[in-house]
Amino acid sequence: GAVVSQHPSWVICKSGTSVKIECRSLDFQATTMFWYRQFPKQSLMLMATSNEGSKATYEQGVEKDKFLINHASLTLSTLTVTSAHPEDSSFYICSALAGRAYEQYFGPGTRLTVT
Amino acid sequence: AQSVSQHNHHVILSEAASLELGCNYSYGGTVNLFWYVQYPGQHLQLLLKYFSGDPLVKGIKGFEAEFIKSKFSFNLRKPSVQWSDTAEYFCAVNAGAGGTSYGKLTFGQGTILTVHP
Repeated sequence: GAVVSQHPSWVICKSGTSVKIECRSLDFQATTMFWYRQFPKQSLMLMATSNEGSKATYEQGVEKDKFLINHASLTLSTLTVTSAHPEDSSFYICSALAGRAYEQYFGPGTRLTVT
Repeated sequence: AQSVSQHNHHVILSEAASLELGCNYSYGGTVNLFWYVQYPGQHLQLLLKYFSGDPLVKGIKGFEAEFIKSKFSFNLRKPSVQWSDTAEYFCAVNAGAGGTSYGKLTFGQGTILTVHP
């Protein structure tokens, strides 16, 4: 079946630094990927839509200069959290849209802790 | 903006009990509806989906859901739960079914199901 991986699964960084999270579709190509954020005991909140070969589209309230998204190939999207602050600590999950309409496959998530 | 509401945060059942998890959404147009499950330590997996047609949809592992348009609901059911069904369940809605909303999901808050053997 369709598999999506994320790397790293857990990262700790210092306040003010940047961290990059990778999302890969391992056995299928995905022109569209999504990035979500999940706070403890809360639901997933869509942050942005990542489209291969074009700029990402961000949901209202998401700072595009802080959360840089690059969808460089049909199997890789990256999320870079720039100048991270403790309030950016969260669980970040990506998903990839498979060929069949609306079928999303989710990665395992990346736990970011900013100290 | 659309929203999705799941009625119960935590449901505790004994094995063989019947399950119904509520999900309501707020959007008046065309919707695609999903239930996802997240087992402990694992990623989200699709349980079932509704796009059109028969409002009663069957998914994996004996789960089913019924779309009631007049109630804006998409409740998840299983006649007899097992210990292995212990997980968190998320209802999700794709509203607008196309254009700029293509593929975008709005999730409910999630319901943790604990099944005691």
